[in-house]
Amino acid sequence: GEDVEQSLFLSVREGDSSVINCTYTDSSSTYLYWYKQEPGAGLQLLTYIFSNMDMKQDQRLTVLLNKKDKHLSLRIADTQTGDSAIYFCAESSPGTASKLTFGTGTRLQVTL
Amino acid sequence: GAGVSQSPSNKVTEKGKDVELRCDPISGHTALYWYRQSLGQGLEFLIYFQGNSAPDKSGLPSDRFSAERTGGSVSTLTIQRTQQEDSAVYLCASSVPGRRTYEQYFGPGTRLTVT
Repeated sequence: GEDVEQSLFLSVREGDSSVINCTYTDSSSTYLYWYKQEPGAGLQLLTYIFSNMDMKQDQRLTVLLNKKDKHLSLRIADTQTGDSAIYFCAESSPGTASKLTFGTGTRLQVTL
Repeated sequence: GAGVSQSPSNKVTEKGKDVELRCDPISGHTALYWYRQSLGQGLEFLIYFQGNSAPDKSGLPSDRFSAERTGGSVSTLTIQRTQQEDSAVYLCASSVPGRRTYEQYFGPGTRLTVT
């Protein structure tokens, strides 16, 4: 079955860049997503990338996809305290587009 | 516009009791999903509804769990004879199928505590 893995914790200083990594096993993944969850809140879709792309940039966010290595990363430029949250990567596959498989989540802590 | 809403936001129940959790999707979204977020299991898919099609129940953990969607809109997730391991945050999401990205929009969740 599908498996999506992330490191559990990342601490960065305000103003630095954050890089959150994710690996997945399903080679048929079509879309890969990044969601943000703030304390006590639901999941907010940040960005997504189609599997035939290798990079997508959206303001401070850059997503890099290495399909050969099944590695996805989210770079947040100029990290702010408001970026402190848990970040989940997720994937969906053809025929299973009805459900997302999520990673374990990475808690990003931004320090002053 | 209004997002996905869920009620109640918190529910405490005694072991063995039944609970109902409600989800109101974004207007016009025909696809609706339930997920569970727990400490031990992370985020797990439970069930998916799309229009009048038979729901995909492949993620329901036991036959104590059921869900229905009336009129293609509001959905209710029912857990019968609750157990302590059912304690989790239950998240609902909706989307517009046919959009290639299958973007799902999540509600704030219902935190269920079984004592």
